[in-house]
Amino acid sequence: EVQLVESGGDLVQPGGSLRLSCAASGFTFRSYWMHWVRQVPGKGLVWVSRINSDGSDTDFADSVKGRFTISRDNAKNTLYLQMNSLRVEDTAVYYCTRAGRHDGFDVWGQGTMVTVSS
Amino acid sequence: SYELTQTPSVSVSPGQTARITCSGDLLAKQYVYWFQQKPGQAPTLIIYTDSERPSGIPERFSGSSSGTTVTLTISGVQAEDEADYYCQSADNSGTYVFGTGTKVTVL
Repeated sequence: EVQLVESGGDLVQPGGSLRLSCAASGFTFRSYWMHWVRQVPGKGLVWVSRINSDGSDTDFADSVKGRFTISRDNAKNTLYLQMNSLRVEDTAVYYCTRAGRHDGFDVWGQGTMVTVSS
Repeated sequence: SYELTQTPSVSVSPGQTARITCSGDLLAKQYVYWFQQKPGQAPTLIIYTDSERPSGIPERFSGSSSGTTVTLTISGVQAEDEADYYCQSADNSGTYVFGTGTKVTVL
């Protein structure tokens, strides 16, 4: 079964750091671009970041640029999102998703909640 | 920053047709994807590259494009189609953007 499972979400104080993980299974992870998307509960989807298949190229939304880093370990079939200098407005459910055929986000994890609060 | 604008809500009776529009300056040049999201669930891809349906998505879901506006059509709406729907595309710099979302209510 093709699956993505996120972990690492937690309650963190403003200015703090957190690393999210996304474990992939059921497909050839190293062949796909991967993305992170977030959603404030009750609000819309917001694209956060993407990484190409070998990890050599990344991109970020302006709102997180310079604070977040995306990486992957193809040997471990795992995607990461390192979040530094966290702000209250980073509070959201974070989803990892695969860019499949024709770049469509065709597989999603169940999401992990990040709460930034003092 | 680049924005994709959707009608906030659409109400439709079972068996009728729901149309959801998504507008953006670059949509004539970039593909659009559509997602369905039900409460408490992750999004599901229902249309890719403007009008193609992934396997397993019912034929009642279709996508079309005309200039800077794209449309998701749900023909013969069923109660299970009640959900939030999002369009998604990319801007000229290669970053990605989601639409504002449309809540579909089945009366």
